Amino acid sequence: QVHFIQSGAEVKRPGASVKISCKAFGYSFSSHLLHWVRRAPGRSLEWVGWINSDYGVTKYSPKFQDRVTINSESSANTAYLDLRSLTVDDTATYYCAAGTTKGRGAFDLWGPGTVITVSS
Amino acid sequence: VMTQTPLSSPVALGQSASISCRSSQGLVHSDGGTYLSWLHQRPGQPPRLLIYKISNRFSGVPDRFSGAGAGTEFTLKISRVETEDVGVYFCMQSTHFPITFGQGTRLEIK
Repeated sequence: QVHFIQSGAEVKRPGASVKISCKAFGYSFSSHLLHWVRRAPGRSLEWVGWINSDYGVTKYSPKFQDRVTINSESSANTAYLDLRSLTVDDTATYYCAAGTTKGRGAFDLWGPGTVITVSS
Repeated sequence: VMTQTPLSSPVALGQSASISCRSSQGLVHSDGGTYLSWLHQRPGQPPRLLIYKISNRFSGVPDRFSGAGAGTEFTLKISRVETEDVGVYFCMQSTHFPITFGQGTRLEIK
């Protein structure tokens, strides 16, 4: 069965960095774009960026452009989100997502989420 | 910018609910497609896809859910609301960069 497994919850201090992972099972990362989306408490969903693992191409939201890196290990079918200079506003659940069957923008596969808490 | 209304929708079981999503610019892509999706998120769960490209119901989604619209105005309608429908509904556009979401509409049973 196709699914994602994400790494466990993280607690960080302001100014720190965090790196979380998303591993695919029953599905090849290189097939489609892999997106990262977050949802802060009481807020809406927010798109962070995507990676095309086949070509190593990434695209980031302007909001995160200066402090985010998305990369992947094709052999491990795993993608990573690296977020730097954390602030309390980065406290959120971070999801990996992909559109595997219906094309652009149809995110039909989601990971369970990784909670990142930023607190002093 | 994607603007959803209402932000909260109390609905009686068996009744209908309608959620609007307005985009600040047209969502027709240069390839002719309109990339407007609807997602549903229950507490403690990841979002799940309901509707893609305005009106296409994703597999396994009950036909009580329907999407419509064009240009900048889109609607999700839920007929015969059931208890499992509670949660937050989001519209999402992926025509323009960056991908953006509506604020979310919380559906609750009254």
